[in-house]
Amino acid sequence: GAGVSQSPRYKVAKRGQDVALRCDPISGHVSLFWYQQALGQGPEFLTYFQNEAQLDKSGLPSDRFFAERPEGSVSTLKIQRTQQEDSAVYLCASSRQTNTGELFFGEGSRLTVL
Amino acid sequence: GESVGLHLPTLSVQEGDNSIINCAYSNSASDYFIWYKQESGKGPQFIIDIRSNMDKRQGQRVTVLLNKTVKHLSLQIAATQPGDSAVYFCAENRGTSYGKLTFGQGTILTVHP
Repeated sequence: GAGVSQSPRYKVAKRGQDVALRCDPISGHVSLFWYQQALGQGPEFLTYFQNEAQLDKSGLPSDRFFAERPEGSVSTLKIQRTQQEDSAVYLCASSRQTNTGELFFGEGSRLTVL
Repeated sequence: GESVGLHLPTLSVQEGDNSIINCAYSNSASDYFIWYKQESGKGPQFIIDIRSNMDKRQGQRVTVLLNKTVKHLSLQIAATQPGDSAVYFCAENRGTSYGKLTFGQGTILTVHP
């Protein structure tokens, strides 16, 4: 595709519900990243995939957060038993190579937990 | 703790002026820095990067300066245009992946016609 695509763009969940956020990276991009951006803050790193391998998940806030990229393309970020503090924009980014900080970000999925 | 931060949260300029956005970092081991622009409702967009073996790098209408002595980074935008209005983030690379970035707080740039 032309860019990184994320869905849904907006998600409202009741506290305790599970949510799944999808990311379609740019075709052929090896690296895929998830970031969390709270209102008025810069993005914060969550996790990183190189192809299908999750090489770094040090930024995931708790074991309620889980990410996968089973075929090295589409990725899903799952949040179980959502809490109000999970409310944020979840950004997905991809890059063609591994030796660059030039990431191509999607528009994000805005999660609001009531 | 170690972090990347910005001096000025807001910057307002007139169209055609030059803009300078500053960033301080505290991790002396950082060796790669990136500037991103984020417009409302969109994801961050890469502007320019610089590695620690350089002091200056130029792009189209933008220049990044790195002063390792005082751990300071700046982004200069020449002939600022209304379309440059956005939040600008400096980011620092950490870890083994170049895409694992630590972002600063952000500076809001407003360009008045």
